[in-house]
Amino acid sequence: ETGVTQTPRHLVMGMTNKKSLKCEQHLGHNAMYWYKQSAKKPLELMFVYSLEERVENNSVPSRFSPECPNSSHLFLHLHTLQPEDSALYLCASSPQQGRNEQFFGPGTRLTVL
Amino acid sequence: QQQVKQSPQSLIVQKGGIPIINCAYENTAFDYFPWYQQFPGKGPALLIAIRPDVSEKKEGRFTISFNKSAKQFSLHIMDSQPGDSATYFCAASGRSNYQLIWGAGTKLIIKP
Repeated sequence: ETGVTQTPRHLVMGMTNKKSLKCEQHLGHNAMYWYKQSAKKPLELMFVYSLEERVENNSVPSRFSPECPNSSHLFLHLHTLQPEDSALYLCASSPQQGRNEQFFGPGTRLTVL
Repeated sequence: QQQVKQSPQSLIVQKGGIPIINCAYENTAFDYFPWYQQFPGKGPALLIAIRPDVSEKKEGRFTISFNKSAKQFSLHIMDSQPGDSATYFCAASGRSNYQLIWGAGTKLIIKP
């Protein structure tokens, strides 16, 4: 596989479930990002990891919990989500944190019932 | 001050026409302005980017025009094709905070 991959591509979960989103990048990049994309809204940056350390956390509710075990993998753990959390969750990577081109995965379409 | 306002929200253009998408910003510290293109089922991909030391940048059929005094920048697509149908996002960032601030997107449809 090349580029940035995300699994699963689609996820439906109840408000009491616990699930995880996975992102993997095959580009040798050092920075990884989680974004939330809702219809007709700007992309919302949720978390930034640089060299496996979280460097940005944009006031995201604690029901979202990121994990970056190494520079190639990024997870987003979800628990007790709300229906308004339904959105497309995008993972991206870049060579380093900063004004570099970000390479995005295809996203996970999340529906919270 | 951190917002980037993008317009229009949607745009339909005949093949061969020149769609224009506009973005405006307030923060004068912004100095990097990329445009991303997103097809259905895919993540956004960088299309073209500009810095404020130039007023225009062309890459193939895509042109960014930049007006520093008006704090506006726009994307023009020459000789548009149905394959250009996608959602386009503008963004901006500054030296003090590299985080990209995104516009809300423009859904562009090019009719054959």
